[in-house]
Amino acid sequence: KAGVTQTPRYLIKTRGQQVTLSCSPISGHRSVSWYQQTPGQGLQFLFEYFSETQRNKGNFPGRFSGRQFSNSRSEMNVSTLELGDSALYLCASSLDGGTSGWPDTQYFGPGTRLTVL
Amino acid sequence: GENVEQHPSTLSVQEGDSAVIKCTYSDSASNYFPWYKQELGKGPQLIIDIRSNVGEKKDQRIAVTLNKTAKHFSLHITETQPEDSAVYFCAASIKAAGNKLTFGGGTRVLVKP
Repeated sequence: KAGVTQTPRYLIKTRGQQVTLSCSPISGHRSVSWYQQTPGQGLQFLFEYFSETQRNKGNFPGRFSGRQFSNSRSEMNVSTLELGDSALYLCASSLDGGTSGWPDTQYFGPGTRLTVL
Repeated sequence: GENVEQHPSTLSVQEGDSAVIKCTYSDSASNYFPWYKQELGKGPQLIIDIRSNVGEKKDQRIAVTLNKTAKHFSLHITETQPEDSAVYFCAASIKAAGNKLTFGGGTRVLVKP
């Protein structure tokens, strides 16, 4: 079974631009979560989507947004890029969104490395 | 919200020795604790996880223990090998928060041949 795929793998943008990152979850997985990884702040939760609905949101400004499509693929968008948005953006997918009563096991993609100049 | 602390931040061991990484969490409602290994240029890879209804879980050379009373959990790697060199992250999750993972700061493990 193919793992989580993320495109593009690398991006270079300039301040003020916007960017869209894409994530394809493992086949059959319905939940997609996004995380930001930086050397200073570590791994931080951005948001989670399940059945095309945002279920949970981390502590990030409104410039960070996302969506999920009916095939469970997800995109995240960052508008008005700032230097501090340079990071590795990770997508994780899980099977059924934790409806069993326990949080689901999450599987991560390779990430998109975003550099803002 | 949940806070997870991880120690040590770096760990150097001789090949064949054991490595232990410890994490503490703040929210007693947390009920799922995964460990991830991240190699350079790759995303985190799940290596073992434990639910709060279990005190210990083992998978070959890797084991995780959970102490709910003290709110801490540990990763044990025995008979370390050079390929175990990586950054390891612990995390905690609460069912009420969906699948949100709160991560520790990471431990860079170096296994010296």
